[in-house]
Amino acid sequence: GENVEQHPSTLSVQEGDSAVIKCTYSDSASNYFPWYKQELGKGPQLIIDIRSNVGEKKDQRIAVTLNKTAKHFSLHITETQPEDSAVYFCAASTTDSWGKLQFGAGTQVVVTP
Amino acid sequence: EAQVTQNPRYLITVTGKKLTVTCSQNMNHEYMSWYRQDPGLGLRQIYYSMNVEVTDKGDVPEGYKVSRKEKRNFPLILESPSPNQTSLYFCASLVRGGSYNEQFFGPGTRLTVL
Repeated sequence: GENVEQHPSTLSVQEGDSAVIKCTYSDSASNYFPWYKQELGKGPQLIIDIRSNVGEKKDQRIAVTLNKTAKHFSLHITETQPEDSAVYFCAASTTDSWGKLQFGAGTQVVVTP
Repeated sequence: EAQVTQNPRYLITVTGKKLTVTCSQNMNHEYMSWYRQDPGLGLRQIYYSMNVEVTDKGDVPEGYKVSRKEKRNFPLILESPSPNQTSLYFCASLVRGGSYNEQFFGPGTRLTVL
């Protein structure tokens, strides 16, 4: 089955700098890649997703890139702010937003003022 | 207000005592799912449902049951809980939108099995 690896497990950045989280997946049939943000004591929140028919997607300060050949995708956060501090999870699915979702282990992002 | 609700939020029980965690969404979403979250392991999918009367196993279905008799509800049943099912559980619902899929997670249920 699908295996998703996520790096790094922790990431500390200065406010205003960029943060990058990388995930690799094993199943070449995976075609949907969402990213979630989980704040302390809350459930995960979908922040951005990408399907395999595009290579990049942006939404304000966040962007996701996908390299299907290398089977990896990344989350980029620019101009980080303290409210970006959270745990971020990547995930992959072979059924284009439906069905089984395989999650990475998560990245704890800490933005220091 | 669009939301996913779970009950109870906290539960301490003993091994073997059947329990049900309820999940309800008011957004008319077709897709619902259950996850468990454990330190260092991230989120693991237990079961999911793509519509009424349609359920499928996720990655860790052993020891759990679900049902989807109506669109809004997706209860998680532990027939005979064991200590290794101590975890934080999340229910979620999803519908495909324009540029983004709308996905909502419930607030979580922290279960302790003694």
